[in-house]
Amino acid sequence: KQEVTQIPAALSVPEGENLVLNCSFTDSAIYNLQWFRQDPGKGLTSLLLIQSSQREQTSGRLNASLDKSSGRSTLYIAASQPGDSATYLCAVRKGAQKLVFGQGTRLTINP
Amino acid sequence: EAGVAQSPRYKIIEKRQSVAFWCNPISGHATLYWYQQILGQGPKLLIQFQNNGVVDDSQLPKDRFSAERLKGVDSTLKIQPAKLEDSAVYLCASSFTGTGEQFFGPGTRLTVL
Repeated sequence: KQEVTQIPAALSVPEGENLVLNCSFTDSAIYNLQWFRQDPGKGLTSLLLIQSSQREQTSGRLNASLDKSSGRSTLYIAASQPGDSATYLCAVRKGAQKLVFGQGTRLTINP
Repeated sequence: EAGVAQSPRYKIIEKRQSVAFWCNPISGHATLYWYQQILGQGPKLLIQFQNNGVVDDSQLPKDRFSAERLKGVDSTLKIQPAKLEDSAVYLCASSFTGTGEQFFGPGTRLTVL
């Protein structure tokens, strides 16, 4: 059974810092991995999707990496801004099976 | 392009009452998902539709939850009767294919008193 873990559960950093969020999964035979952002009281916004054959994906200040063999993914946020404050979730999929989510990392960027 | 639409946004009911949620996916998306997200946890898939057929409902409490997608477009999720532990946000998502990127609606926050 696939399990996804995100550490830390919460993170607080000053504005302007670069930071890394971590995601680990127990079954390395994944089809793809997706990073989401969730603002309080809102749905999930897809940030990046990495296929199993890819090593990383970039979108603006965000960069997500994938190391299937070690069961890890990281989300790198450059030059953090207060507007980046949100909960970040990673989710993995095996074939056509359901997405399995981690519990998320609640990020606070302090001005 | 319009996103995934859900209604209502909030619902408060007494335990043992029934409730229904509605979702309209992104146009052209064949796959539709209903998730339950309890406070402090990641979303958990309840049911996945491919067009109007069920692909996965292994985590749907079928004694009280039901869902349908009759014409392969919009969908309804029903709870009858509701329990206190059903208090959660119910998220609908859609994707073009069964393995593609998922796009989420704003969710319905259910409170059962």
